[in-house]
Amino acid sequence: AQSVTQLGSHVSVSEGALVLLRCNYSSSVPPYLFWYVQYPNQGLQLLLKYTSAATLVKGINGFEAEFKKSETSFHLTKPSAHMSDAAEYFCAVSGSTGFQKLVFGTGTRLLVSP
Amino acid sequence: EAGVAQSPRYKIIEKRQSVAFWCNPISGHATLYWYQQILGQGPKLLIQFQNNGVVDDSQLPKDRFSAERLKGVDSTLKIQPAKLEDSAVYLCASSLEGSPRGGYTFGSGTRLTVV
Repeated sequence: AQSVTQLGSHVSVSEGALVLLRCNYSSSVPPYLFWYVQYPNQGLQLLLKYTSAATLVKGINGFEAEFKKSETSFHLTKPSAHMSDAAEYFCAVSGSTGFQKLVFGTGTRLLVSP
Repeated sequence: EAGVAQSPRYKIIEKRQSVAFWCNPISGHATLYWYQQILGQGPKLLIQFQNNGVVDDSQLPKDRFSAERLKGVDSTLKIQPAKLEDSAVYLCASSLEGSPRGGYTFGSGTRLTVV
């Protein structure tokens, strides 16, 4: 079974500041890990994914995440926040073999102030 | 390519009424998913189809929820009768293969309010 824990339901940053959204996972098999973003009244959009290749993954809009097996973490970062980054971010995990489902965390709302 | 289409976008019904949601996945995507997203929570998988067969419906409340995927393309999700706790956004997603490795494509969702 897989699960993810997102630390912090809300994160506030100033425009231009570092963004750090935390995600820890639990998985009984080698995992695939994902970050999705959700803007108001929209579906989820894939930001980036880890599928057992490079542990540092770069995604869209300047985001990146690092898979750390020893820490069971997959934190999302962006060096400089932009107002347009304000949204809900979901970390998700799945197994890596056969038919698998995405299991989502509870989400972190990113607030960006001018 | 066209995205995942869902309708309606919004629906308000009274408890004990029935409601149906429709999803048209990306052309050629064999796997289709229905997720329920309750306010303040992450999406939860209700049912997963591979073509027109069910792969996982372990979290589908089968006493009131039903879903079908005719001819391995479009899908409908039905709730009958609805309860207040069914108020949520229902998201449909599709993927080319059964693994999430390639990433899912989500529709914009149907927001259901049960009063």
